[in-house]
Amino acid sequence: QVQLVESGGGVVQPGRSLRLSCAASGFTFSSYVMHWVRQVPGKGLEWVAVMSYDGSDKYADSVKGRFAISRDNSKNTLYVEMNSLRPEDTAVYYCARERWDFDSSGYLEYWGQGTLVTVSS
Amino acid sequence: QSALTQPPSVSGSPGQSVTISCTGTSSDVGGYNRVSWFQQLPGTAPKFMMYEVSNRPSGVPHRFSGSKSGNTASLTISGLQAEDEADYYCTSYTSSNTLIFGGGTKLTVL
Repeated sequence: QVQLVESGGGVVQPGRSLRLSCAASGFTFSSYVMHWVRQVPGKGLEWVAVMSYDGSDKYADSVKGRFAISRDNSKNTLYVEMNSLRPEDTAVYYCARERWDFDSSGYLEYWGQGTLVTVSS
Repeated sequence: QSALTQPPSVSGSPGQSVTISCTGTSSDVGGYNRVSWFQQLPGTAPKFMMYEVSNRPSGVPHRFSGSKSGNTASLTISGLQAEDEADYYCTSYTSSNTLIFGGGTKLTVL
């Protein structure tokens, strides 16, 4: 069965960096478009970034230039490197997989349990 | 880009129907049929409920249905049940090849 497990969250000071990981299993990771989505506690969902199976990426304006999404297909792992962190980046970060392989329609069928990032001094 | 517009809250009694709207622009909801819906219970990850406007993944009850007209997509829940009480989010593909979420709607079953 499809499993996505995020890790790497924690408390970090403003301006510092943090890297989140999403370990995938139960499917051919290299064939799927993967996303990061975040949610401020008690607030709504916000799309963060996407990495295609071919290595191309896109970002939300709120994180462009500060966050970098990447993947290691040999380790079945998705990453997001978050730099110049701000208090408003405090959120639960989820990784999510598209419904179909080799497709980028934006249908996020599978989600991890999320990892909490707190940006605070 | 601003979030898609959803009503903050809707409510209905058991057995009734409720509809949650999701309004965007011609650059997202109106321009593509790549609209999906999620249900989120407190403390859990979102659950994929609808895709391509009106298609249900396996396991989603038939009383959940989706539609779209112009720049507005809708999720209708018929025969409301207590277990449907949750937050609901829409999302759409955009002309920038990104995704955009709605602000979320809290459904209360009276």
